[in-house]
Amino acid sequence: DAKTTQPPSMDCAEGRAANLPCNHSTISGNEYVYWYRQIHSQGPQYIIHGLKNNETNEMASLIITEDRKSSTLILPHATLRDTAVYYCILTGTSYDKVIFGPGTSLSVIP
Amino acid sequence: NAGVTQTPKFQVLKTGQSMTLQCAQDMNHNSMYWYRQDPGMGLRLIYYSASEGTTDKGEVPNGYNVSRLNKREFSLRLESAAPSQTSVYFCASRHLGYEQYFGPGTRLTVT
Repeated sequence: DAKTTQPPSMDCAEGRAANLPCNHSTISGNEYVYWYRQIHSQGPQYIIHGLKNNETNEMASLIITEDRKSSTLILPHATLRDTAVYYCILTGTSYDKVIFGPGTSLSVIP
Repeated sequence: NAGVTQTPKFQVLKTGQSMTLQCAQDMNHNSMYWYRQDPGMGLRLIYYSASEGTTDKGEVPNGYNVSRLNKREFSLRLESAAPSQTSVYFCASRHLGYEQYFGPGTRLTVT
């Protein structure tokens, strides 16, 4: 079973920040939080990942709580092209099995 | 550098027929994965391979077999296709500790 829980769907107005939450209360010390997104029926695309510090790249920011039990993916200025399903998953450095949950379907509204 | 490639892109099978889905990666990754995605659902792990010569079951392995032919290639075989196996199949690869890279998918319909 997936070790993360996400809301099934969210809406965001175009140009506003999209904040996608993820709960991972059973995260282990060596597990990273990874975010992917899937646009239409394409293969998922990597967005960002982190261990315990906040991270930012050209696509998004990742905020991880101090206890590491939850995180938030932030798309700072959502566009229509950000409409997709977003997956939050845990990936360890010492094992290979990677399980996806159902994700959050984000709709960016004009 | 093509990344992860999958063949075929589309396939229609009759119930009971067999087929092999092919996947190859040119990134020298150790780990490779097969997922299926049913309409409106998330990805479910079928099988994965941590390295050449090893394979392990995922969440939904029944009705499938896999072969890690070499470091580049990881194939998925349906011995006797069933309508319940109608799905989109994604292959992925990664280095341990890094992100996964996904192929474009194979859309399989079993009638």
